[in-house]
Amino acid sequence: NAGVTQTPKFQVLKTGQSMTLQCAQDMNHEYMSWYRQDPGMGLRLIHYSVGAGITDQGEVPNGYNVSRSTTEDFPLRLLSAAPSQTSVYFCASSPRALNTEAFFGQGTRLTVV
Amino acid sequence: TQLLEQSPQFLSIQEGENLTVYCNSSSVFSSLQWYRQEPGEGPVLLVTVVTGGEVKKLKRLTFQFGDARKDSSLHITAAQPGDTGLYLCAGSPGYSTLTFGKGTMLLVSP
Repeated sequence: NAGVTQTPKFQVLKTGQSMTLQCAQDMNHEYMSWYRQDPGMGLRLIHYSVGAGITDQGEVPNGYNVSRSTTEDFPLRLLSAAPSQTSVYFCASSPRALNTEAFFGQGTRLTVV
Repeated sequence: TQLLEQSPQFLSIQEGENLTVYCNSSSVFSSLQWYRQEPGEGPVLLVTVVTGGEVKKLKRLTFQFGDARKDSSLHITAAQPGDTGLYLCAGSPGYSTLTFGKGTMLLVSP
């Protein structure tokens, strides 16, 4: 089992560019989430999904879009990258509910210049 | 205001020492989880504690959930360099989503 797979692992963007961070899980989990991790701020929830076709906003959703067309995939789109979006992004999936144990990918380190 | 306060923020010790890190809140949690995150990796779940007063052991790691379900502690006996990492607690005080503390960064030197 691969678990949760995130691509790319590293990315550098110029201000104003758009891109999609990919996340795929092979555990058939209904619940998936995107977090960003910044020094001194901890992990903050960006968007989440409770199943295919259902998404909702977390604590810091501005500047990001998500969609969930299949159980396996949960991509995160940056619409117009800003330096404030420089961060490490983690995708996670949960088998039972969003507020229970989470399985994380290895992360994507994004730098916006 | 941080929902989950972790202390200390940083801890640097020698191999073989014992240590305890704390996760505190003013809110009641139905359960709390502990994760360890190594550099360049995602957090990995260590344990979930559910019942007030519960103690769980994972080899040299002992996790305790407070009686009032507002706090938790992680005790490591005879720390080893492989224990180095960021220790995160997480839980939900009735929300549908998970809240994380900022973590305790542990460095164990040989």
